[in-house]
Amino acid sequence: QKEVEQNSGPLSVPEGAIASLNCTYSDRGSQSFFWYRQYSGKSPELIMFIYSNGDKEDGRFTAQLNKASQYVSLLIRDSQPSDSATYLCAVNKGSGTYKYIFGTGTRLKVLA
Amino acid sequence: DAGITQSPRHKVTETGTPVTLRCHQTENHRYMYWYRQDPGHGLRLIHYSYGVKDTDKGEVSDGYSVSRSKTEDFLLTLESATSSQTSVYFCAISELRTSGGALLYEQYFGPGTRLTVT
Repeated sequence: QKEVEQNSGPLSVPEGAIASLNCTYSDRGSQSFFWYRQYSGKSPELIMFIYSNGDKEDGRFTAQLNKASQYVSLLIRDSQPSDSATYLCAVNKGSGTYKYIFGTGTRLKVLA
Repeated sequence: DAGITQSPRHKVTETGTPVTLRCHQTENHRYMYWYRQDPGHGLRLIHYSYGVKDTDKGEVSDGYSVSRSKTEDFLLTLESATSSQTSVYFCAISELRTSGGALLYEQYFGPGTRLTVT
């Protein structure tokens, strides 16, 4: 079992819809969780982090964390073609720990 | 972009030759990392550094060495390149921040180096 798992996709959604990206992790000791966006041929870009159970909103993005079920998700509201990218989930294992485990990413396609 | 540059950005080399990739940062970050990214494998940690001359291995360190003689530079060396080391290499730094009483390390990436070993 991989430590951080994501569906590789592609996930296709129409423009204006909500895109829902999911990530599960295996280590119950994991404490902080990050979402990165990566455009083709570019480097990963940090877009959200979350460390408490529940929802965290930032503009059109909402991160959701459920530690009991060991999953974290990213919702993108009003999806735009410019949101088409690969989204990487990353898990940081402990408070003050500076090492991350990355999922393989989910490719999102927003159809105009 | 957290002041991270990588050089070279593209390199083609032959099997068996040594290759050194350079990561340079301008903001005095303590922690630096080298990852490789391959289809189906995602980002995998090669080596990381937690200070000048302080380095440790990641999950895919075989065939790679690193050095950090000053804060701003982190070098990745392939002593004898193999075709399996064809990949995109990313350097990253992490920055400590506090949020709601929690300590978090946010990681930021350089632009990447595309290495092809023929």
